[in-house]
Amino acid sequence: QVQLKESGPGLVQPSQTLSLTCTVSGFSLTSYHVSWVRQPPGKGLEWMGVIWTGGSTAYNSLLKSRLSISRDISKSQVFLKMNSLQTEDTATYYCARDRGFGVPFDYWGQGVMVTVSS
Amino acid sequence: DTVLTQSPALAVSPGERVTISCRASESVSTLMHWYQQKPGQQPKLLIYKASNLASGVPARFSGSGSGTDFTFTIDPVEADDIATYYCHQSWNSPRTFGGGTKLELK
Repeated sequence: QVQLKESGPGLVQPSQTLSLTCTVSGFSLTSYHVSWVRQPPGKGLEWMGVIWTGGSTAYNSLLKSRLSISRDISKSQVFLKMNSLQTEDTATYYCARDRGFGVPFDYWGQGVMVTVSS
Repeated sequence: DTVLTQSPALAVSPGERVTISCRASESVSTLMHWYQQKPGQQPKLLIYKASNLASGVPARFSGSGSGTDFTFTIDPVEADDIATYYCHQSWNSPRTFGGGTKLELK
């Protein structure tokens, strides 16, 4: 069955870089895109970016200067890196299966909570 | 960016009908979707493309709308439906979400 699972550090210091991994199973990264979505505590959802099946990426313009998404197809893993973290980046970070334009995210990981604090 | 506006909270009783609205700042055609999120869980897709029920979702849930005005209905509400509901558009880039409507028990 389709599964996505995020992993990464729960605590990151301000100004440092966040690195998260999304490990997927039940589908191929060459058949489905993967997006990252985050949710600050008690707040709504924000789409961060996507890695398409062909390997190209697109980012939310608000985060574009700090964000990078990549993948390792052989390991079925998608990576998120975001630099210059601030306390406002404290959030639960989700990866989600993305079927492209017009279609919702049909499967989501359980999320990983990241706190930015010294 | 397309802003999606939802009322922040609604109080309901089991057995009632509840309607949640979502207004978009610009047209999103029918590419509006609805998710349910319970505390500590990831969002779950309920409705896609305005009115289509996602797989395995009970028929108590429904959606309608096009353009800028959309509604999501639960009829009848069950106690297990207490959650936050988000609308999400995928017509305009970047994709955006509404602020969420929290259903609470009366």
